[in-house]
Amino acid sequence: DAGVIQSPRHEVTEMGQEVTLRCKPISGHNSLFWYRQTMMRGLELLIYFNNNVPIDDSGMPEDRFSAKMPNASFSTLKIQPSEPRDSAVYFCASSLWASGSSYNEQFFGPGTRLTVL
Amino acid sequence: RKEVEQDPGPFNVPEGATVAFNCTYSNSASQSFFWYRQDCRKEPKLLMSVYSSGNEDGRFTAQLNRASQYISLLIRDSKLSDSATYLCVVNGLNTGGFKTIFGAGTRLFVKA
Repeated sequence: DAGVIQSPRHEVTEMGQEVTLRCKPISGHNSLFWYRQTMMRGLELLIYFNNNVPIDDSGMPEDRFSAKMPNASFSTLKIQPSEPRDSAVYFCASSLWASGSSYNEQFFGPGTRLTVL
Repeated sequence: RKEVEQDPGPFNVPEGATVAFNCTYSNSASQSFFWYRQDCRKEPKLLMSVYSSGNEDGRFTAQLNRASQYISLLIRDSKLSDSATYLCVVNGLNTGGFKTIFGAGTRLFVKA
């Protein structure tokens, strides 16, 4: 299995530009998570989906951030407009969630390192 | 108070040493607990789950103390390859449903 795939691996953009991060979860997994990691704040859960439906987006910092999962094999995280404080590593993770189970191992992608100038 | 707190370290230990990390959590309704490992500039990966009775995987031992709301990770006979950041993970129900919280991590450097 190829694991979780994220693109791009690195993104450098200027303040005010739109940024779109992409994620392909592990085939067969039904939960997908978007995280942001910075030195100051650590790893923060932004949003997660079960069966393509957003379940908890309370971690999304503000309206500039949006996430979609149009099908089981693809998700995007969009920042519009981007700001320097959005600079971070953004991880996507997927897991196989079973009803009645409180947790299943999350497999992380390699991350997208975003720099907003 | 953060929901999951860890000593950021760094812990600098010689090869062969025993080192222990603690992690405290604030939500008494938390249901499951884990340790993840993250190498520099890499993604986090599951190291081990933490069970109420304590569990061991080779040189690694994890313990859970629900009464005091903390979990621990003990590494025996440290290897150079153990150098990494260790993330405590707590999962459980809150008002928004199931929620997974990662600690900020404890950095470990094992020296030759």
